[in-house]
Amino acid sequence: SQTIHQWPATLVQPVGSPLSLECTVEGTSNPNLYWYRQAAGRGLQLLFYSVGIGQISSEVPQNLSASRPQDRQFILSSKKLLLSDSGFYLCAGRGAGGSGGETQYFGPGTRLLVL
Amino acid sequence: AQKITQTQPGMFVQEKEAVTLDCTYDTSDQSYGLFWYKQPSSGEMIFLIYQGSYDEQNATEGRYSLNFQKARKSANLVISASQLGDSAMYFCAMREPYSSASKIIFGSGTRLSIRP
Repeated sequence: SQTIHQWPATLVQPVGSPLSLECTVEGTSNPNLYWYRQAAGRGLQLLFYSVGIGQISSEVPQNLSASRPQDRQFILSSKKLLLSDSGFYLCAGRGAGGSGGETQYFGPGTRLLVL
Repeated sequence: AQKITQTQPGMFVQEKEAVTLDCTYDTSDQSYGLFWYKQPSSGEMIFLIYQGSYDEQNATEGRYSLNFQKARKSANLVISASQLGDSAMYFCAMREPYSSASKIIFGSGTRLSIRP
């Protein structure tokens, strides 16, 4: 089965500082990968998804970017954080097919606080 | 455009009772998938159950069952014999029609609180 790793678990950053959140996947190859943001007490907003190395699609215009340098690695970045970037960031993966291929599995998330 | 609606922002249920969490969806596609996820206070999203639009029988996973009524476009989650550990946020979600991206859209969630 798939396992999604994310780090760090918690991050406090000053406004204007850069950001790099990493997500890695175990247990599947060529997964679809997704970055979501969740504001406190709210639902999930899809930020980016990737169907393969170097292939990134953005769902909403924002201050963030994503990259996929390896098959099982997905990185969320920002050059200069804004206060509004605070939130809970979740990485998810969907296997290439077979058993459980319909389902997205999530990592443990990163709580980002921008001050 | 596809949409997921969860009309119950919060629910309180007595331990050991059954609980139904409502979910309705809107899509013009014939092929789609429906999911329920649980999010405890730790924040992780836990997959509970999946229902394909062509599945004739309602999906079941242990104490969880999905009451799928296709004509009414509803996909309610039923938890039997609720436990204190069931207290969490619950999200209904729908997969776009099959594509390489297979994006999933989420509802706004229902906060379930189980009373001892």
